[in-house]
Amino acid sequence: GENVEQHPSTLSVQEGDSAVIKCTYSDSASNYFPWYKQELGKRPQLIIDIRSNVGEKKDQRIAVTLNKTAKHFSLHITETQPEDSAVYFCAASKSTGGSNYKLTFGKGTLLTVNP
Amino acid sequence: DTGVSQNPRHKITKRGQNVTFRCDPISEHNRLYWYRQTLGQGPEFLTYFQNEAQLEKSRLLSDRFSAERPKGSFSTLEIQRTEQGDSAMYLCASSAPPGTQGNPYEQYFGPGTRLTVT
Repeated sequence: GENVEQHPSTLSVQEGDSAVIKCTYSDSASNYFPWYKQELGKRPQLIIDIRSNVGEKKDQRIAVTLNKTAKHFSLHITETQPEDSAVYFCAASKSTGGSNYKLTFGKGTLLTVNP
Repeated sequence: DTGVSQNPRHKITKRGQNVTFRCDPISEHNRLYWYRQTLGQGPEFLTYFQNEAQLEKSRLLSDRFSAERPKGSFSTLEIQRTEQGDSAMYLCASSAPPGTQGNPYEQYFGPGTRLTVT
C-alpha cells in the first residue's frame, strides 16, 4: 500500500519568514495530494491540493509543488504569521472519474511561528 | 452548521465495553470515510462508503470494528470489547459526488469523537 513520509516533524520560524514542509510517497499510482492544517483540538482542514497533471499550484501565501518522477511534493508558506502555527499534514490518494479514495497521511509537521 | 457532525464528541468507557459513534456527513455527499488519529500521528484510514456500500476496509481494522451506512446518509462505527489500544480520536469525513460544485476531491472532516478506554 501507499506510504507517505513527511519532514520535518517540527519547524520553528520567525514571523515573516518562509516555511517549507516536504513529503514523499511510494505508490506511483497516487495522483492527488492534499495538505491539511489542524489546529489544536480542531478538525483537519484542507488548505491546498494538487493533482498529478500539475507541477505547481499557488493560493496567496501558500504554494505546493509536485515532482512525479521523484515522488515528492512540498508545501511552501511565505510571509508566515502567528496564525499559521498548527500541525500540517500531507496526504496522497488515487482519484479517478472525479472522485478520490482513501487518504494516506504523513505523520505531520508542527509549525510554530514566533512573533 | 452544514458541516460534518459527529456524536458524541467524547466517550469514556471501561475496557471490554462496546461503544458506537455516529457521523452525519454534509448533505448530498455520497462518500463517507472513517479515520483514526492518535496523538502525534496523522489520521489513519479505517473504512469508506459510497452511498450505502462499504467499499474498502483497512487491513488494520480488527473484527471488533464494524461500520454501517444503512440509508446512504449517516454512518455508525461500533467497537466491540474495547481495549486500551482503541483510545484515539475517531474522525469522519465526507466528499461530494463528481460533477458537483466546488472541489470534488476534498474530504471534509468532522470534529471527531475522542475515545478513552480505561
